[in-house]
Amino acid sequence: DAGVTQSPTHLIKTRGQQVTLRCSPKSGHDTVSWYQQALGQGPQFIFQYYEEEERQRGNFPDRFSGHQFPNYSSELNVNALLLGDSALYLCASRSYDRPNQPQHFGDGTRLSIL
Amino acid sequence: DQQVKQNSPSLSVQEGRISILNCDYTNSMFDYFLWYKKYPAEGPTFLISISSIKDKNEDGRFTVFLNKSAKHLSLHIVPSQPGDSAVYFCAATFEGNTPLVFGKGTRLSVIA
Repeated sequence: DAGVTQSPTHLIKTRGQQVTLRCSPKSGHDTVSWYQQALGQGPQFIFQYYEEEERQRGNFPDRFSGHQFPNYSSELNVNALLLGDSALYLCASRSYDRPNQPQHFGDGTRLSIL
Repeated sequence: DQQVKQNSPSLSVQEGRISILNCDYTNSMFDYFLWYKKYPAEGPTFLISISSIKDKNEDGRFTVFLNKSAKHLSLHIVPSQPGDSAVYFCAATFEGNTPLVFGKGTRLSVIA
């Protein structure tokens, strides 16, 4: 039973560029959330997708956008990259009908901005 | 304003002894609390949770205690093992479908 998978593992970009990160949820899960974990901090919620729509959003600028596909996989896009966007980006999935079941996390994408 | 606080960045414990990790929260709407464990280069792994209708939940060596009046929860690991060395995150949510709010984490080192 495959868990949450994310790609790529690491990515290096320069300021002003754009990046796309990908996530496949755990089998049986239909809801995907993205979190940003800066160094020394806990994960911070970016947004959640369900039924191909953004359902909830955290305190992140519009440069952060996402998408969910019919197979429940998801992408996180970040435009006009800033040095402060350097972080570990985590994808988490769960079943929408089981809100109190814990979210399962992928191993993350480490994004470095030069 | 940090709604979930883990005030100890690190904790060092001898193998076989008890590890106690603490977490405080400020939002009284939170009704479900979770602990995640994170090894380097891996994503957070769910460890144990507790609903606000309980004050204790146990799973093997791990026990979580919730004190709603103090807005405080703690994770007890007994006995501690070297493999428990990791960063532990406390997280909270409410009404089921709201996003998890995490603390900054506590790095636990279990010394053999």
